[in-house]
Amino acid sequence: LAKTTQPISMDSYEGQEVNITCSHNNIATNDYITWYQQFPSQGPRFIIQGYKTKVTNEVASLFIPADRKSSTLSLPRVSLSDTAVYYCLVGVNEKLTFGTGTRLTIIP
Amino acid sequence: DAMVIQNPRYQVTQFGKPVTLSCSQTLNHNVMYWYQQKSSQAPKLLFHYYDKDFNNEADTPDNFQSRRPNTSFCFLDIRSPGLGDAAMYLCATSRDGDSDTEQYFGPGTRLTVT
Repeated sequence: LAKTTQPISMDSYEGQEVNITCSHNNIATNDYITWYQQFPSQGPRFIIQGYKTKVTNEVASLFIPADRKSSTLSLPRVSLSDTAVYYCLVGVNEKLTFGTGTRLTIIP
Repeated sequence: DAMVIQNPRYQVTQFGKPVTLSCSQTLNHNVMYWYQQKSSQAPKLLFHYYDKDFNNEADTPDNFQSRRPNTSFCFLDIRSPGLGDAAMYLCATSRDGDSDTEQYFGPGTRLTVT
């Protein structure tokens, strides 16, 4: 069963740029890639979404290569408040599936 | 503010005693989802409604049922909770079920089974 995989955890210092990758080899042709942020005891919150190439908003950038088999969430100049779990959400086999999640810890 | 509301935030039930979790939305979205999230795991979709059309995931146990009496409300019924059903239950909504529409999540209900 194809899984949508992410690194389990990452640490970074405040002020650094952080890149989190999601591997989705079986992404559906027409489906978008969405990233969510989740704090403890809260529901996930939308960060950014894209279909191909690069998307940027006020909080993040999303890079998607031409083959769309992976995507990279980029958080510029992280702060302590960015400590959270980050999930990608992609369509695989006609089903929207969350990635395995990456626990990001920001170090002062 | 438009939002997704889940009640209660914390629910304790006994092994085998039926329990109902509720979700309401003020977004007037067509789709409502129920997810189960266990500790340190990603949310797992149980089922969703597109308007009144119920869509069950193939691996969702029969012990889990859902009702959507109107656009605003959706309920998750667990008929005979087992210890393995202890988890955070997340409700979400979206305008439609396509991958390019954002899902809005409620704060979740943490279910404990004793």
